[in-house]
Amino acid sequence: DTAVSQTPKYLVTQMGNDKSIKCEQNLGHDTMYWYKQDSKKFLKIMFSYNNKELIINETVPNRFSPKSPDKAHLNLHINSLELGDSAVYFCASSRDRVGNEQFFGPGTRLTVL
Amino acid sequence: QQPVQSPQAVILREGEDAVINCSSSKALYSVHWYRQKHGEAPIFLMILLKGGEQKGHDKISASFNEKKQQSSLYLTASQLSYSGTYFCGTELNWDSGAGSYQLTFGKGTKLSVIP
Repeated sequence: DTAVSQTPKYLVTQMGNDKSIKCEQNLGHDTMYWYKQDSKKFLKIMFSYNNKELIINETVPNRFSPKSPDKAHLNLHINSLELGDSAVYFCASSRDRVGNEQFFGPGTRLTVL
Repeated sequence: QQPVQSPQAVILREGEDAVINCSSSKALYSVHWYRQKHGEAPIFLMILLKGGEQKGHDKISASFNEKKQQSSLYLTASQLSYSGTYFCGTELNWDSGAGSYQLTFGKGTKLSVIP
């Protein structure tokens, strides 16, 4: 009964490739997020969707494109991967867009060679 | 707008107490506290909303001083299982100019509890 799941857990790829990370939540939440955690453990928000609508779009390269096919899913597609994209990417969800606990997925460790 | 956490790291012996602080330069709507163990996802501990409040469960509690825009996390009688990195996250008041209620995390406080 995983609340927030992500696939894959590990992703190793070459520079220049395109890859996707998938996220699903079965909590019935309205809001979903993508966070990036770098090697210094800094956890930074990238995107947020509320009821399939993009509400937060932080300053990230436009090589990163989120897509929410429905309320329960938020995927992240990355084009032309660079070395600096190596990080752990966490998906999260919350009942609403403010003042609510966020449930994090297990993370996807992306390594770009 | 990133909150400032202190200390950066702390080492405790089992049974000792610790306080982790989080402060913001902007008016806050809420403060969240999360714990992350190595190789795992952050886990929610508690949320404090504006209006100033104090919360706690078991031996972990927190306070939120809305006027000072500060929050503190209190860990009492620490256990080995308390080890990990603690993050505070803040949501700014809408009129702080943030434009959205995004959660911004501090850099974390690494807590190590030793026998």
